[in-house]
Amino acid sequence: DGGITQSPKYLFRKEGQNVTLSCEQNLNHDAMYWYRQDPGQGLRLIYYSQIVNDFQKGDIAEGYSVSREKKESFPLTVTSAQKNPTAFYLCASTLVYSGANVLTFGAGSRLTVL
Amino acid sequence: RKEVEQDPGPFNVPEGATVAFNCTYSNSASQSFFWYRQDCRKEPKLLMSVYSSGNEDGRFTAQLNRASQYISLLIRDSKLSDSATYLCVVNQGGGFKTIFGAGTRLFVKA
Repeated sequence: DGGITQSPKYLFRKEGQNVTLSCEQNLNHDAMYWYRQDPGQGLRLIYYSQIVNDFQKGDIAEGYSVSREKKESFPLTVTSAQKNPTAFYLCASTLVYSGANVLTFGAGSRLTVL
Repeated sequence: RKEVEQDPGPFNVPEGATVAFNCTYSNSASQSFFWYRQDCRKEPKLLMSVYSSGNEDGRFTAQLNRASQYISLLIRDSKLSDSATYLCVVNQGGGFKTIFGAGTRLFVKA
């Protein structure tokens, strides 16, 4: 079945450590996105990519980095510069870069900083 | 003012009840509208798109009022399995301009 696979599902990190969250899709979607969700808040966009080797900052990109070397993959690195990284991270994709297209989400990665 | 506002609830209703959720958005240039459902600690999943003419999918009816910048979702004959958080989602054109409301929590009890 086609879909988006995120790993790990749960991750614990010590302060000062960088961590990388994996996102792989086999939907042949062009655009990929990373969102962060905190309790009581809507999803907020971290980074997005319309095409391989291209990506753009979203609303809350500080302390995060991404790469898009393959169409299928869009990993997110949470760096030590991110002041409050504990959150639920969701990767999503759409077939084309268009608002009319529905976002398909992965199951999410829950990061806790100890 | 938030770009997309929803009543956070929670809404506690008995099985079989009809419940309505409302959502307002601030950008009059918004182009596409959706309701997503999110179960506890899971990812959001599309429930239905919302069209100006209104649309229905079984027990679910969505309405859009562009003049008032208002979206609604009506659930009839609530089931226990409808318990979830319902997210109002508005797109302002382009994939990155998708704005999510904080969600409305629904609990359906037996």
